[in-house]
Amino acid sequence: TQLLEQSPQFLSIQEGENLTVYCNSSSVFSSLQWYRQEPGEGPVLLVTVVTGGEVKKLKRLTFQFGDARKDSSLHITAAQPGDTGLYLCAGAAVDSNYQLIWGAGTKLIIKP
Amino acid sequence: EAGVVQSPRYKIIEKKQPVAFWCNPISGHNTLYWYLQNLGQGPELLIRYENEEAVDDSQLPKDRFSAERLKGVDSTLKIQPAELGDSAVYLCASSGLVPNEQFFGPGTRLTVL
Repeated sequence: TQLLEQSPQFLSIQEGENLTVYCNSSSVFSSLQWYRQEPGEGPVLLVTVVTGGEVKKLKRLTFQFGDARKDSSLHITAAQPGDTGLYLCAGAAVDSNYQLIWGAGTKLIIKP
Repeated sequence: EAGVVQSPRYKIIEKKQPVAFWCNPISGHNTLYWYLQNLGQGPELLIRYENEEAVDDSQLPKDRFSAERLKGVDSTLKIQPAELGDSAVYLCASSGLVPNEQFFGPGTRLTVL
């Protein structure tokens, strides 16, 4: 059974601080995605990483795919209250791009 | 471009009652997904459609859940009868040319009393 473990489950920090959340698995994925979900809304796709070792930046967010394509990290620099939300990672199974394995999410709260 | 539309946004019913959720995907997206999401958890796939065909319904509790996508566009998910444990958010998503990039609707929050 493929599993994606996210850590930490919950993180509350002050505005301006940096943070990193992690997404780990023992399985290899063909690609991995990060979504952000706000209360009362569906998840919104932030980024897709495909190549082992790939790094993508989206303003203050930096996403990295592990060399072996089994893990990923999301780093936020100078967090802002608008970054508050549930961050979900989802890995695409190697044998099926339609099958996404979802992590349980990291609930992030940025206090002003 | 309009996003994925779901209705209703909220539904409160008593146990043993039926309930239905509706989803209209992004125009041109052939793949449609229904997910269940419990509080603080990731989405769990219930069923995936390719056009009007249900190609993955292995996680759908077929004794009480049913779904249809008759014309390959909008879709309905039904629960009959609802149980207390069915209280959750039901999300609909669609994808187009890039199969694993899914676009979600706002979800329907179901409360079963």
